[in-house]
Amino acid sequence: GESVGLHLPTLSVQEGDNSIINCAYSNSASDYFIWYKQESGKGPQFIIDIRSNMDKRQGQRVTVLLNKTVKHLSLQIAATQPGDSAVYFCAEGGGTSYGKLTFGQGTILTVHP
Amino acid sequence: DTGVSQNPRHKITKRGQNVTFRCDPISEHNRLYWYRQTLGQGPEFLTYFQNEAQLEKSRLLSDRFSAERPKGSFSTLEIQRTEQGDSAMYLCASSLFKTGVDTQYFGPGTRLTVL
Repeated sequence: GESVGLHLPTLSVQEGDNSIINCAYSNSASDYFIWYKQESGKGPQFIIDIRSNMDKRQGQRVTVLLNKTVKHLSLQIAATQPGDSAVYFCAEGGGTSYGKLTFGQGTILTVHP
Repeated sequence: DTGVSQNPRHKITKRGQNVTFRCDPISEHNRLYWYRQTLGQGPEFLTYFQNEAQLEKSRLLSDRFSAERPKGSFSTLEIQRTEQGDSAMYLCASSLFKTGVDTQYFGPGTRLTVL
């Protein structure tokens, strides 16, 4: 993918608000999508995944929505907490790329107490 | 701790030296992946194994890079004749691949600095 340097999209919210992080994916053949959370100095942490035969999946405080028509993925975090502050990446896989994941740009989420 | 582990966590080396990193996957995971991440970017795929077999390698993986998983458990990633452009976080992930499911869990990474 192209380099976008250090200018990641950012989202600032107040504690207790709901957060929505968006992602556009590139490969229409992808059939598996994952959201990861990455804190500074740590590896990506699995949050939630969804397969292309679904358009919504819910976890604990998180919901992932998939719109295959426009190749868009979103992560909704309910009642955001300061501990949710991190960089969030979407990743796509499957289809003809089974095995490897292709990661999106990342969004910096900052939650203010 | 039963997660993916990586050693060392940090490595500083001089240009031209060889370095080797180790990854221990989650027990019984049959797939193991290597990614590279530079500041401000998402991880980029390098290679992956299913058991002992190396199934795919990225064009990013030049001939100075080699990865092995000799017994289908731990893996090593070696970089020969390191260059300053190799400075990055090297991430390992593992998964228990079944038909249609391949959730990858990442380790903490090895941060490489080439001086």
